Amino acid sequence: EVQLLESGGGLVHPGGSLRLSCAASGVTFSSFGMSWVRQAPGRGLEWVSGLSASGGVTYYVDSVKGRFTISRDNSKNTLYLQMNSLRAEDTAVYYCAKERLGVASPDTFDYWGQGTLVTVSP
Amino acid sequence: DIQLTQSPSSLSASVGDTITLTCRAGQSISTYLNWYQHKPGKAPKLLIYAASTLQSRVPSRFSGSGSGTHFTLTISSLQTEDFATYYCQQSYSTRPTFGRGTKVEVK
Repeated sequence: EVQLLESGGGLVHPGGSLRLSCAASGVTFSSFGMSWVRQAPGRGLEWVSGLSASGGVTYYVDSVKGRFTISRDNSKNTLYLQMNSLRAEDTAVYYCAKERLGVASPDTFDYWGQGTLVTVSP
Repeated sequence: DIQLTQSPSSLSASVGDTITLTCRAGQSISTYLNWYQHKPGKAPKLLIYAASTLQSRVPSRFSGSGSGTHFTLTISSLQTEDFATYYCQQSYSTRPTFGRGTKVEVK
């Protein structure tokens, strides 16, 4: 069974940094693209960033470009999201999600983690 | 970015009802449209991909249709476990976007 487990969330001041991790099991991790999707309080889902299976191609929503960096370590079956220059509007539950197919670009997400909460507040 | 508009934003229904949720895209996206179910505190769940293909192990009471800019998700004979928020998501662009969701509540 595919399992995705996020960690690394917490409370951070505006301008601060956090690194989220997503540990995958039950899947050939290196064969699939991965993404981060967030949900701000009282809001809907927002795709944030995606990464190809090899890690060579990355994608970002405009609001986080230049501040967030997505990466992966296929030897550790782990996805990361380095978040710098955090803003109040980045407050959300962050989910990692697996691509349904081994396609290069973000597409369809067939497995999701339970999420980790990031709170950006003074 | 490709905008997705879901309607209604919420609806009240009873167990056994058949309901239809709508998702409209701001431009044609062929059939690059997926539907997810999301319950508070849980991981979102893929229900339908490519507009009409049922994801593995999803009950057959869920069905999707549409192409271009107009899509629907129908839930036949609504069950207790189906009360949740439903999101559409386009995979036409390399930057996926979601609709704002339709919350299905108990009448």
